[in-house]
Amino acid sequence: KNEVEQSPQNLTAQEGEFITINCSYSVGISALHWLQQHPGGGIVSLFMLSSGKKKHGRLIATINIQEKHSSLHITASHPRDSAVYICAVTRDNTDKLIFGTGTRLQVFP
Amino acid sequence: GAVVSQHPSRVICKSGTSVKIECRSLDFQATTMFWYRQFPKQSLMLMATSNEGSKATYEQGVEKDKFLINHASLTLSTLTVTSAHPEDSSFYICSARGETGGAWYNEQFFGPGTRLTVL
Repeated sequence: KNEVEQSPQNLTAQEGEFITINCSYSVGISALHWLQQHPGGGIVSLFMLSSGKKKHGRLIATINIQEKHSSLHITASHPRDSAVYICAVTRDNTDKLIFGTGTRLQVFP
Repeated sequence: GAVVSQHPSRVICKSGTSVKIECRSLDFQATTMFWYRQFPKQSLMLMATSNEGSKATYEQGVEKDKFLINHASLTLSTLTVTSAHPEDSSFYICSARGETGGAWYNEQFFGPGTRLTVL
């Protein structure tokens, strides 16, 4: 079993829909990261969380440390949000990232 | 946010040649840089961690003599794929963590990646 699991693996949506991507992890962490990878391959760091909730524009990330679960929400989705969203955790006492397998999102007009 | 660049973005080479990929932090001092590779539709795999001025620490299964990493300055790390073979064809991504103006960046900032194709 992977230490970081994401669901769903693939997601399609109509423009304007509210989107949720989930991430569960099974190890002790110091931080959780949400990353976005566009078709060209470049990766952008969206959020780094250790507790609670963060919001940036139409993106919201939450984390529940007790349940070892995080969600990434996209409100009013747009075709330009189409990308692979990757959850990664920084394991306790290391500076290495452990990556989930990613969620491929396609938003259609 | 902090910016990390990689060069080249794409390289095609013949089997047996060596290829150097550069990773630069443009507006902060990268005390630690990480090198990843990614196969199609798979997640990133950490290859090695390098701290400025020290030898890189390689992950299990990564050949240090094949993937030479140099982190000689606070803004530049290089990955050299020596005697490249077709199975080395992959997407290589670096990330960096460090500080600027006294502010410490605990998160990793990723470069845009380098797509290597070995013929």
